[in-house]
Amino acid sequence: KNEVEQSPQNLTAQEGEFITINCSYSVGISALHWLQQHPGGGIVSLFMLSSGKKKHGRLIATINIQEKHSSLHITASHPRDSAVYICAVSGSRLTFGEGTQLTVNP
Amino acid sequence: EAGVTQFPSHSVIEKGQTVTLRCDPISGHDNLYWYRRVMGKEIKFLLHFVKESKQDESGMPNNRFLAERTGGTYSTLKVQPAELEDSGVYFCASSQGDYTPDQETQYFGPGTRLLVL
Repeated sequence: KNEVEQSPQNLTAQEGEFITINCSYSVGISALHWLQQHPGGGIVSLFMLSSGKKKHGRLIATINIQEKHSSLHITASHPRDSAVYICAVSGSRLTFGEGTQLTVNP
Repeated sequence: EAGVTQFPSHSVIEKGQTVTLRCDPISGHDNLYWYRRVMGKEIKFLLHFVKESKQDESGMPNNRFLAERTGGTYSTLKVQPAELEDSGVYFCASSQGDYTPDQETQYFGPGTRLLVL
């Protein structure tokens, strides 16, 4: 069992839908990161958070330290949001989830 | 400002050959990390440099992998001899080093796709 589990593995949505990707972890952490990887592209850091909630545009990330759980929400999804979203936790090093492949259809 | 760059973008080699991957971090970043993603699996940590020193190399799979960061600027990761299971995408990332590494955003390069035949 991975130390960082993401769900769902794959997600298909229609443009405009509200999307939620979940991340659970089983280790102590200093911070949790949400990353985005576009097809053929590199990895971009979206959020780093250690408590509460952060918002950037249509993206919202929340974390519940007691429950060891984080969610990434995308409001009013758009086809350009199609990518792999990766949750990673930092302790002495980054430990990654397997990622969630999101496809948003027009 | 240029981001993290990696070279080559792709490499196809035969089992037993040697391959050297290069990473140029963002200028001024003290922390440099190597990661690997094997197909179907999650990204895994390989090692962490602080300037030219290896801070943590516990993720290196075996002694066929050698990483260097001479002068604390760019880094190389050499695989010698390459095996089939070394195929995957090798990512490099860097962070500034003003805070403890676990509290800093890491900036990732585009990755090197290595295929060992």
